[in-house]
Amino acid sequence: GQNIDQPTEMTATEGAIVQINCTYQTSGFNGLFWYQQHAGEAPTFLSYNVLDGLEEKGRFSSFLSRSKGYSYLLLKELQMKDSASYLCAVVDSNYQLIWGAGTKLIIKP
Amino acid sequence: DTGVSQNPRHKITKRGQNVTFRCDPISEHNRLYWYRQTLGQGPEFLTYFQNEAQLEKSRLLSDRFSAERPKGSFSTLEIQRTEQGDSAMYLCASSPGQGDTGELFFGEGSRLTVL
Repeated sequence: GQNIDQPTEMTATEGAIVQINCTYQTSGFNGLFWYQQHAGEAPTFLSYNVLDGLEEKGRFSSFLSRSKGYSYLLLKELQMKDSASYLCAVVDSNYQLIWGAGTKLIIKP
Repeated sequence: DTGVSQNPRHKITKRGQNVTFRCDPISEHNRLYWYRQTLGQGPEFLTYFQNEAQLEKSRLLSDRFSAERPKGSFSTLEIQRTEQGDSAMYLCASSPGQGDTGELFFGEGSRLTVL
C-alpha cells in the first residue's frame, strides 16, 4: 500500500528553527509537495522537490532524499503566523497526489 | 481571475437531504479535483476531471456522490441522502494540466455539517 508518515504535532518557540519530517512509501515517485494549511482554510503551496537536495525559499527550505524515501521542511525564524498544519504529499506513478495526515505546528511566544 | 472559487462556503443540512457544491477553477486550468478533508487528516481524493471528462473516481466513493463538469469549466459535486459521516470540508482544486508539476491550487472549501 501507499503510505505517508509525518508527526502529528510539534511545538516550537517564536524565533527558533523547526524541522518537520516526512517519510513515504508509494508506487512510483514523481515529486513531493509541502503545503501549509491554517485552521479552517484551504492548503496553500509551499514547495516542490523532484530531485535530491535542498530547495530554499526565504525562511522555508525543503529537502528530499529519494533513495531514503524521506523529506523534511525546515522553517527558520519562526513567527506566530507559522502556526498551522503542514502537509506532505507525494506524486505517485499515476501522477496522483498521496497526502499525509499533516503535522500541526504550534508556535509559542 | 483571482483563484479557485467554491460555494457555498458553509452548508448545514438534515440527514437524508441532498446537497450540491459548486467549484469554479482558475480559467485556464484543465484539471479539476474534488477532495474531502476531516479534522486532523490530509485531503482524501474523491474524483478528478481533465476538461469535461471524469477520468478517475475514488473506489471508496459511495454511489450517493456524483460530480459533473459539463462544459469543462465549473464543476458540481452532489451528495444525495446525506449521512452524518458526510460532514467534512469539501475542497476543490485545479491545475494547469500538461507540462505542470502537479501543483494544485485550492479553493477555500465548502464545509458540510449533517445534523
